[in-house]
Amino acid sequence: GAGVSQSPRYKVAKRGQDVALRCDPISGHVSLFWYQQALGQGPEFLTYFQNEAQLDKSGLPSDRFFAERPEGSVSTLKIQRTQQEDSAVYLCASSARDRDGEAFFGQGTRLTVV
Amino acid sequence: AQKVTQAQTEISVVEKEDVTLDCVYETRDTTYYLFWYKQPPSGELVFLIRRNSFDEQNEISGRYSWNFQKSTSSFNFTITASQVVDSAVYFCARSTGAIGSGYALNFGKGTSLLVTP
Repeated sequence: GAGVSQSPRYKVAKRGQDVALRCDPISGHVSLFWYQQALGQGPEFLTYFQNEAQLDKSGLPSDRFFAERPEGSVSTLKIQRTQQEDSAVYLCASSARDRDGEAFFGQGTRLTVV
Repeated sequence: AQKVTQAQTEISVVEKEDVTLDCVYETRDTTYYLFWYKQPPSGELVFLIRRNSFDEQNEISGRYSWNFQKSTSSFNFTITASQVVDSAVYFCARSTGAIGSGYALNFGKGTSLLVTP
């Protein structure tokens, strides 16, 4: 596609429910990032993939968060046993090889845990 | 994490005024990248500029200009003759590590710019 696509755009989950958020990066982009953005704050880094390899997951807040990119394209961020503090916008971004930081962002998935 | 500080939370200007958004960053690296991103109400962050720490030349792109001062660890962004369409949240960011090692970004908290007619 032309840009980074994320689905769903909005998700309401009951506390304790598992959720899966999907990201379709720009075709051919090697690098893929997940960020979490709380209301009124800047995005916070969660994890980074280069192709299918997860090179950095230091930003994942707990072991309830898990991300994968099995074929080096589409990525899924899974949150198990959601808590209210997980409510945020989850942003996915991709970038081309050798274009560190020049990322194209999706519109995000707004997760609300009730 | 090496912090990025955007001291201005909100700025409101009238169309055609010039406005400068401040950014100060921490760094323990000798090489790094700095960035500005724009987040309009639609929510999608839009890349505006990347500068590397080697290059302190100021840059101008149309109505946008950036002033990088390594001595004060600042990377300020000026919009000349602001327009209503410039209304958005603007984020300053730096690479999490040295060039070639830090692929992710540390973002500041953002400055919300409102341009009124």
